[in-house]
Amino acid sequence: EAGVAQSPRYKIIEKRQSVAFWCNPISGHATLYWYQQILGQGPKLLIQFQNNGVVDDSQLPKDRFSAERLKGVDSTLKIQPAKLEDSAVYLCASSSPRGSPGEQFFGPGTRLTVL
Amino acid sequence: AQKVTQAQTEISVVEKEDVTLDCVYETRDTTYYLFWYKQPPSGELVFLIRRNSFDEQNEISGRYSWNFQKSTSSFNFTITASQVVDSAVYFCALIRLYSSASKIIFGSGTRLSIRP
Repeated sequence: EAGVAQSPRYKIIEKRQSVAFWCNPISGHATLYWYQQILGQGPKLLIQFQNNGVVDDSQLPKDRFSAERLKGVDSTLKIQPAKLEDSAVYLCASSSPRGSPGEQFFGPGTRLTVL
Repeated sequence: AQKVTQAQTEISVVEKEDVTLDCVYETRDTTYYLFWYKQPPSGELVFLIRRNSFDEQNEISGRYSWNFQKSTSSFNFTITASQVVDSAVYFCALIRLYSSASKIIFGSGTRLSIRP
């Protein structure tokens, strides 16, 4: 079974530029999560989708961050415009209602550096 | 409020030593799960164990063991006879469960370095 795929793995941009990350969850996983992991900290949930609907986006900075999962499969997270403090690893995870409670499968992440 | 505290930021031990990673949590929920994840240098979070709030039995899996004590809100992780491959950042996490969704709250992680 293929794992969670993310691209790109690394991205360097200048502040005020825009950037987009892509995630393809494990096939059949209805729930998709985007996390932000700042260096030295644990991952923080940004947004959670159930199929193509948003379940929780309470910690998403909506003035600059947006995410979509139009067909209920893959997802895109966008930052526009980026700030220095957005430098972090962005992790995508997915889970299945048939899986063990709370178990999420993580992708390798996209490391964003904002200069 | 939900919170997970991993007070040990970094630990360094020599190979074959035993090492314990501490985790203390706060929650008002009666039903919750506790997890440990490993994050090797590759960056991917790897699931290690899940324990539900009603099961306080300790668990052993090979060189890994977990001690869950509800009375002290702790879920500590011990690696016996550590190996260099155990070097990674380890995260303790608390999961609230509601309906079909779950929300993980992670601790800040403990960076474990095993020296040969």
